[in-house]
Amino acid sequence: EADIYQTPRYLVIGTGKKITLECSQTMGHDKMYWYQQDPGMELHLIHYSYGVNSTEKGDLSSESTVSRIRTEHFPLTLESARPSHTSQYLCASSVRTFDEKLFFGSGTQLSVL
Amino acid sequence: QKEVEQNSGPLSVPEGAIASLNCTYSDRVSQSFFWYRQYSGKSPELIMSIYSNGDKEDGRFTAQLNKASQYVSLLIRDSQPSDSATYLCAVNRPGSARQLTFGSGTQLTVLP
Repeated sequence: EADIYQTPRYLVIGTGKKITLECSQTMGHDKMYWYQQDPGMELHLIHYSYGVNSTEKGDLSSESTVSRIRTEHFPLTLESARPSHTSQYLCASSVRTFDEKLFFGSGTQLSVL
Repeated sequence: QKEVEQNSGPLSVPEGAIASLNCTYSDRVSQSFFWYRQYSGKSPELIMSIYSNGDKEDGRFTAQLNKASQYVSLLIRDSQPSDSATYLCAVNRPGSARQLTFGSGTQLTVLP
């Protein structure tokens, strides 16, 4: 079983609030990712990191930001939540090899009212 | 055209039958291919990876790759109700980022 943890599991919040979704992994993986997934839709990469102090934007434009100060920690922040941010957010990690086996956290279901 | 396309389903098969899941991709230079299983309300988990043309078997699962046709499939033999899930096809995009592109998934239901 993968050792990657996301909190909170569910979050309901009002428009305009600042939120941080937490993601931590204990596997020592260099690469970490944030994906966004709506019901019945594909996963969209919104941010990724190759290691400490490395962050990149993914394919899907996102108003969120990320940081990678420690190897094990990759939080995602929304400065001002909007209803359009309502979605499932999945954090993942992988060893920095060609074989992109992703280990996923349990996800955060975000609802912005 | 989507980079990775799958039939959304739902696909229903009786218990014990073979379930066949298909995926096509648009980038001819894609190099590695993955099948993830996602139970309802859960996160995806990797079940198969394949890199070369042909078949790769792991227990009841067989992945098939045909790069000329840009086609990858997953066969599940002796399907069980516990196989009921959404199956996501993922394709590696070559380049320095080596990021995966996911299809929208095929929902499989195995009927007891």
